[in-house]
Amino acid sequence: QKEVEQNSGPLSVPEGAIASLNCTYSDRGSQSFFWYRQYSGKSPELIMSIYSNGDKEDGRFTAQLNKASQYVSLLIRDSQPSDSATYLCAASSGGSYIPTFGRGTSLIVHP
Amino acid sequence: ETGVTQTPRHLVMGMTNKKSLKCEQHLGHNAMYWYKQSAKKPLELMFVYSLEERVENNSVPSRFSPECPNSSHLFLHLHTLQPEDSALYLCASSQDVAGGLNTGELFFGEGSRLTVL
Repeated sequence: QKEVEQNSGPLSVPEGAIASLNCTYSDRGSQSFFWYRQYSGKSPELIMSIYSNGDKEDGRFTAQLNKASQYVSLLIRDSQPSDSATYLCAASSGGSYIPTFGRGTSLIVHP
Repeated sequence: ETGVTQTPRHLVMGMTNKKSLKCEQHLGHNAMYWYKQSAKKPLELMFVYSLEERVENNSVPSRFSPECPNSSHLFLHLHTLQPEDSALYLCASSQDVAGGLNTGELFFGEGSRLTVL
């Protein structure tokens, strides 16, 4: 069974710090990886996609992928209180476009 | 309208009622999904339609019945639900890239919050 594991948190960081969110996946055939942000009472919103080993940067967000270790991470630099949300990690394999989601990590950025 | 819209946003129903959830996407995508989100649990995939054909049904109880009349509309018909079915039901769409790298990038609606009494 394909699984995506995340620490549920909460992860608490001070404003301006780097928040580091981690995710592992069980299916070695996974090729596509995603980070979604979900504010309380709202629906998930895609913020990053990564397909190749290494880093991918988009503004304050950096996604990191290590397929050998089956590990994906999301770094948020200069964290803001508005980044407080649940971050969902997802992975999909080459045979299916349907992603498997983790439980999500709750991030709290305090002033 | 843009994106993915779901109606109703909130629904309270008794166990003997019949109701339907509606989803409409304005993104030109060819795949649509129903997910269930309960507290403390990962998103649970319920149904997937690609090009209006059901491609996955994750052993969902028959009291949930999906309908996809065209690539822009998706329904979830509900009947004789149980209190444990109370959850947020999320519709999503994506562009299925046949023969290429799958995107898996989902665009979600705001969800329908269902309470079963």
